[in-house]
Amino acid sequence: RKEVEQDPGPFNVPEGATVAFNCTYSNSASQSFFWYRQDCRKEPKLLMSVYSSGNEDGRFTAQLNRASQYISLLIRDSKLSDSATYLCVVNAMFSGGYNKLIFGAGTRLAVHP
Amino acid sequence: SAVISQKPSRDICQRGTSLTIQCQVDSQVTMMFWYRQQPGQSLTLIATANQGSEATYESGFVIDKFPISRPNLTFSTLTVSNMSPEDSSIYLCSVEDGLAGVRSEQYFGPGTRLTVT
Repeated sequence: RKEVEQDPGPFNVPEGATVAFNCTYSNSASQSFFWYRQDCRKEPKLLMSVYSSGNEDGRFTAQLNRASQYISLLIRDSKLSDSATYLCVVNAMFSGGYNKLIFGAGTRLAVHP
Repeated sequence: SAVISQKPSRDICQRGTSLTIQCQVDSQVTMMFWYRQQPGQSLTLIATANQGSEATYESGFVIDKFPISRPNLTFSTLTVSNMSPEDSSIYLCSVEDGLAGVRSEQYFGPGTRLTVT
């Protein structure tokens, strides 16, 4: 089982649509969770951290379910500029206090007029 | 967040040669990392660049192949040694935001696109 799993997509949606991405992670000791956005041929950019209570930033809402080891990202009122790959990222904890970021393979979103 | 630059932005190299990639940050950071992103795949951590000591390598990556330097808190280099076409990839450095504390938010440089022929 992959440490961080995402539906690769692509999700093809019209402008104005609401779209949701899901992600599951395997390391139950994980402490921090993030969504990154990566445009074609560019570096990943931090979109938002995911807090236990869920958090919202404009049109973007992230939620975390620790019991199910599940993270989601909801995008409302999609814009053409939202077209990108969205990476689910988990800070995985290992024995000895060692931790590192584990990246999902990404979900591709294409917003069309 | 910190401003990160990488040099070169891209290169085409012959097999058997080596390439050194530089990563410069505009502020002092404790943690710097090197990642690889192969075509169509997500990011894989190569190593953590430790200031003043040897880098910490992830499983599958060794110092002889990917030597790393970290002479100070704003600069690091990654060398891809004895390259083969399988090393063709994007190499990215990242830094951890010290203000984030345990949240471990990382910010990435623009990447170096390497093609080995």
